Amino acid sequence: DQQVKQNSPSLSVQEGRISILNCDYTNSMFDYFLWYKKYPAEGPTFLISISSIKDKNEDGRFTVFLNKSAKHLSLHIVPSQPGDSAVYFCAAPRMDSSYKLIFGSGTRLLVRP
Amino acid sequence: NAGVTQTPKFQVLKTGQSMTLQCAQDMNHEYMSWYRQDPGMGLRLIHYSVGAGITDQGEVPNGYNVSRSTTEDFPLRLLSAAPSQTSVYFCASSRGTNQYGYTFGSGTRLTVV
Repeated sequence: DQQVKQNSPSLSVQEGRISILNCDYTNSMFDYFLWYKKYPAEGPTFLISISSIKDKNEDGRFTVFLNKSAKHLSLHIVPSQPGDSAVYFCAAPRMDSSYKLIFGSGTRLLVRP
Repeated sequence: NAGVTQTPKFQVLKTGQSMTLQCAQDMNHEYMSWYRQDPGMGLRLIHYSVGAGITDQGEVPNGYNVSRSTTEDFPLRLLSAAPSQTSVYFCASSRGTNQYGYTFGSGTRLTVV
Protein backbone atom coordinates (compact mmCIF):
# COMPACT_ATOMS: atom_id res chain seq x y z
CA ASP A 1 0.00 0.00 0.00
CA GLN A 2 1.47 3.32 -1.07
CA GLN A 3 -0.59 6.29 0.03
CA VAL A 4 0.04 9.83 1.13
CA LYS A 5 -2.71 11.48 3.15
CA GLN A 6 -3.48 15.04 4.11
CA ASN A 7 -6.35 14.93 6.54
CA SER A 8 -6.87 18.67 6.96
CA PRO A 9 -8.49 20.20 3.89
CA SER A 10 -7.95 23.74 5.14
CA LEU A 11 -5.99 25.84 7.61
CA SER A 12 -6.28 29.50 8.55
CA VAL A 13 -3.54 31.40 10.40
CA GLN A 14 -2.72 34.99 11.25
CA GLU A 15 0.06 36.74 9.38
CA GLY A 16 3.35 36.44 11.26
CA ARG A 17 2.36 33.25 13.07
CA ILE A 18 3.48 29.70 12.30
CA SER A 19 1.63 27.54 9.78
CA ILE A 20 1.92 23.78 10.25
CA LEU A 21 0.70 21.52 7.46
CA ASN A 22 0.59 17.80 8.10
CA CYS A 23 0.94 14.71 5.98
CA ASP A 24 0.80 11.00 6.83
CA TYR A 25 1.99 8.09 4.74
CA THR A 26 1.31 4.38 4.77
CA ASN A 27 4.58 2.75 3.73
CA SER A 28 7.82 3.08 5.63
CA MET A 29 9.83 2.30 2.50
CA PHE A 30 9.18 5.67 0.86
CA ASP A 31 12.52 7.22 -0.08
CA TYR A 32 11.74 10.88 -0.49
CA PHE A 33 8.99 13.32 0.28
CA LEU A 34 8.20 16.54 -1.51
CA TRP A 35 5.99 19.54 -0.88
CA TYR A 36 4.35 21.50 -3.66
CA LYS A 37 2.55 24.81 -3.50
CA LYS A 38 -0.28 25.67 -5.86
CA TYR A 39 -1.92 29.00 -6.55
CA PRO A 40 -5.30 29.17 -8.35
CA ALA A 41 -5.06 28.83 -12.14
CA GLU A 42 -1.39 27.84 -11.94
CA GLY A 43 0.45 24.55 -11.88
CA PRO A 44 1.99 23.22 -8.67
CA THR A 45 5.50 24.47 -7.92
CA PHE A 46 8.11 22.50 -6.06
CA LEU A 47 8.74 23.92 -2.60
CA ILE A 48 10.98 21.66 -0.55
CA SER A 49 11.90 18.00 -0.22
CA ILE A 50 13.33 15.68 2.40
CA SER A 51 15.13 12.39 2.14
CA SER A 52 14.03 9.53 4.36
CA ILE A 53 17.52 9.46 5.89
CA LYS A 54 16.99 12.91 7.38
CA ASP A 55 14.54 14.19 9.94
CA LYS A 56 14.64 17.87 9.03
CA ASN A 57 15.26 20.06 6.02
CA GLU A 58 15.18 23.83 6.08
CA ASP A 59 14.94 26.44 3.35
CA GLY A 60 14.38 29.97 4.50
CA ARG A 61 10.96 30.27 6.13
CA PHE A 62 10.08 26.68 5.20
CA THR A 63 11.08 23.64 7.24
CA VAL A 64 9.96 20.08 6.73
CA PHE A 65 10.13 17.60 9.58
CA LEU A 66 10.00 13.84 9.13
CA ASN A 67 8.96 11.45 11.90
CA LYS A 68 9.60 8.00 10.49
CA SER A 69 8.29 6.07 13.47
CA ALA A 70 4.94 7.84 13.17
CA LYS A 71 5.02 7.87 9.35
CA HIS A 72 4.32 11.56 9.51
CA LEU A 73 5.78 14.69 8.00
CA SER A 74 4.96 18.30 8.50
CA LEU A 75 5.73 21.56 6.74
CA HIS A 76 6.33 24.59 8.97
CA ILE A 77 6.13 28.11 7.58
CA VAL A 78 7.54 30.78 9.88
CA PRO A 79 6.56 33.57 9.77
CA SER A 80 3.49 33.10 7.60
CA GLN A 81 2.77 35.76 5.00
CA PRO A 82 -0.42 36.50 3.01
CA GLY A 83 1.43 35.45 -0.15
CA ASP A 84 1.73 31.96 1.32
CA SER A 85 -2.03 31.50 0.89
CA ALA A 86 -2.27 28.56 -1.51
CA VAL A 87 -2.97 24.84 -1.64
CA TYR A 88 -0.10 22.69 -0.39
CA PHE A 89 0.38 19.13 -1.54
CA CYS A 90 2.71 16.56 -0.08
CA ALA A 91 3.95 13.86 -2.41
CA ALA A 92 6.21 10.83 -2.51
CA PRO A 93 7.78 8.91 -5.40
CA ARG A 94 6.42 5.38 -5.75
CA MET A 95 8.85 2.73 -4.58
CA ASP A 96 8.41 0.61 -7.70
CA SER A 97 8.83 3.58 -10.04
CA SER A 98 10.48 6.65 -8.58
CA TYR A 99 9.36 9.08 -11.29
CA LYS A 100 5.70 8.41 -10.50
CA LEU A 101 4.60 10.75 -7.75
CA ILE A 102 1.80 9.94 -5.31
CA PHE A 103 0.07 13.08 -4.08
CA GLY A 104 -1.97 13.84 -1.01
CA SER A 105 -5.31 15.57 -1.45
CA GLY A 106 -3.95 18.97 -0.46
CA THR A 107 -4.43 21.50 2.32
CA ARG A 108 -5.67 25.00 1.53
CA LEU A 109 -3.78 27.55 3.63
CA LEU A 110 -5.20 31.00 4.22
CA VAL A 111 -2.94 33.55 5.88
CA ARG A 112 -5.00 36.43 7.24
CA PRO A 113 -3.44 39.91 7.24
CA ASN B 1 13.31 29.57 -20.97
CA ALA B 2 9.57 28.79 -21.01
CA GLY B 3 9.63 25.64 -18.83
CA VAL B 4 6.54 23.49 -19.43
CA THR B 5 3.95 24.90 -21.83
CA GLN B 6 0.43 23.53 -22.06
CA THR B 7 -2.22 24.40 -24.62
CA PRO B 8 -5.07 25.11 -24.61
CA LYS B 9 -5.75 26.65 -21.19
CA PHE B 10 -9.49 26.03 -21.42
CA GLN B 11 -11.58 23.66 -23.49
CA VAL B 12 -15.21 22.61 -23.64
CA LEU B 13 -16.00 19.34 -25.39
CA LYS B 14 -19.18 17.49 -26.15
CA THR B 15 -19.49 13.90 -25.04
CA GLY B 16 -17.92 11.64 -27.64
CA GLN B 17 -15.61 14.23 -29.16
CA SER B 18 -11.87 13.69 -29.27
CA MET B 19 -9.08 16.16 -28.73
CA THR B 20 -5.38 16.48 -27.97
CA LEU B 21 -3.91 18.41 -25.07
CA GLN B 22 -0.48 19.70 -25.99
CA CYS B 23 2.56 19.76 -23.72
CA ALA B 24 6.07 20.94 -24.53
CA GLN B 25 9.15 21.46 -22.36
CA ASP B 26 12.41 23.18 -23.23
CA MET B 27 14.55 21.93 -20.33
CA ASN B 28 15.72 18.71 -22.02
CA HIS B 29 14.06 16.69 -19.27
CA GLU B 30 13.83 12.96 -19.79
CA TYR B 31 10.78 12.33 -17.67
CA MET B 32 7.34 13.68 -18.52
CA SER B 33 3.95 12.96 -16.99
CA TRP B 34 0.29 13.85 -17.24
CA TYR B 35 -1.78 14.33 -14.09
CA ARG B 36 -5.37 15.23 -13.51
CA GLN B 37 -6.60 17.17 -10.51
CA ASP B 38 -10.08 16.65 -9.16
CA PRO B 39 -11.59 18.24 -6.03
CA GLY B 40 -10.57 16.45 -2.84
CA MET B 41 -8.42 13.93 -4.70
CA GLY B 42 -5.07 15.58 -5.19
CA LEU B 43 -3.27 14.85 -8.46
CA ARG B 44 -3.51 11.45 -10.08
CA LEU B 45 -1.10 10.14 -12.68
CA ILE B 46 -2.59 9.34 -16.09
CA HIS B 47 0.44 8.44 -18.24
CA TYR B 48 4.14 9.00 -18.08
CA SER B 49 7.24 8.73 -20.25
CA VAL B 50 10.88 8.13 -19.35
CA GLY B 51 12.19 9.21 -22.73
CA ALA B 52 11.39 9.56 -26.42
CA GLY B 53 9.58 6.48 -27.68
CA ILE B 54 8.84 5.12 -24.18
CA THR B 55 5.49 5.56 -22.45
CA ASP B 56 3.55 3.72 -19.78
CA GLN B 57 0.32 3.91 -17.84
CA GLY B 58 -0.26 5.59 -14.52
CA GLU B 59 -3.12 5.21 -12.03
CA VAL B 60 -5.99 6.41 -14.25
CA PRO B 61 -5.10 5.73 -17.92
CA ASN B 62 -8.48 4.66 -19.29
CA GLY B 63 -9.80 6.91 -22.05
CA TYR B 64 -6.43 8.55 -22.71
CA ASN B 65 -3.55 7.89 -25.10
CA VAL B 66 -0.06 9.36 -25.21
CA SER B 67 2.97 9.23 -27.46
CA ARG B 68 6.48 10.66 -27.15
CA SER B 69 8.14 11.09 -30.50
CA THR B 70 10.55 13.80 -29.28
CA THR B 71 12.12 14.72 -25.94
CA GLU B 72 10.26 18.02 -25.95
CA ASP B 73 6.65 17.02 -26.65
CA PHE B 74 4.22 14.79 -24.80
CA PRO B 75 0.63 15.18 -26.08
CA LEU B 76 -2.35 13.65 -24.31
CA ARG B 77 -5.23 12.42 -26.46
CA LEU B 78 -8.78 11.99 -25.27
CA LEU B 79 -10.27 9.35 -27.53
CA SER B 80 -14.00 9.83 -26.85
CA ALA B 81 -14.64 12.44 -24.18
CA ALA B 82 -16.90 11.60 -21.24
CA PRO B 83 -18.25 13.87 -18.47
CA SER B 84 -16.05 11.94 -15.99
CA GLN B 85 -13.04 13.44 -17.78
CA THR B 86 -14.02 16.94 -16.71
CA SER B 87 -10.95 17.97 -14.76
CA VAL B 88 -7.85 20.12 -14.70
CA TYR B 89 -4.96 18.48 -16.50
CA PHE B 90 -1.32 19.14 -15.70
CA CYS B 91 1.73 18.15 -17.66
CA ALA B 92 5.03 17.88 -15.79
CA SER B 93 8.65 17.16 -16.57
CA SER B 94 11.67 16.19 -14.50
CA ARG B 95 15.37 15.58 -14.86
CA GLY B 96 14.66 12.34 -13.08
CA THR B 97 16.07 12.63 -9.60
CA ASN B 98 13.72 12.53 -6.65
CA GLN B 99 14.85 15.56 -4.75
CA TYR B 100 14.22 17.99 -7.59
CA GLY B 101 10.65 17.02 -8.12
CA TYR B 102 8.70 17.87 -11.21
CA THR B 103 8.17 21.15 -13.05
CA PHE B 104 4.49 21.58 -13.88
CA GLY B 105 2.73 23.44 -16.62
CA SER B 106 -0.07 25.88 -15.81
CA GLY B 107 -2.81 23.39 -16.64
CA THR B 108 -5.70 22.83 -19.03
CA ARG B 109 -9.20 23.13 -17.62
CA LEU B 110 -11.41 20.71 -19.55
CA THR B 111 -15.19 20.53 -19.34
CA VAL B 112 -17.09 17.73 -21.05
CA VAL B 113 -20.80 18.36 -21.48
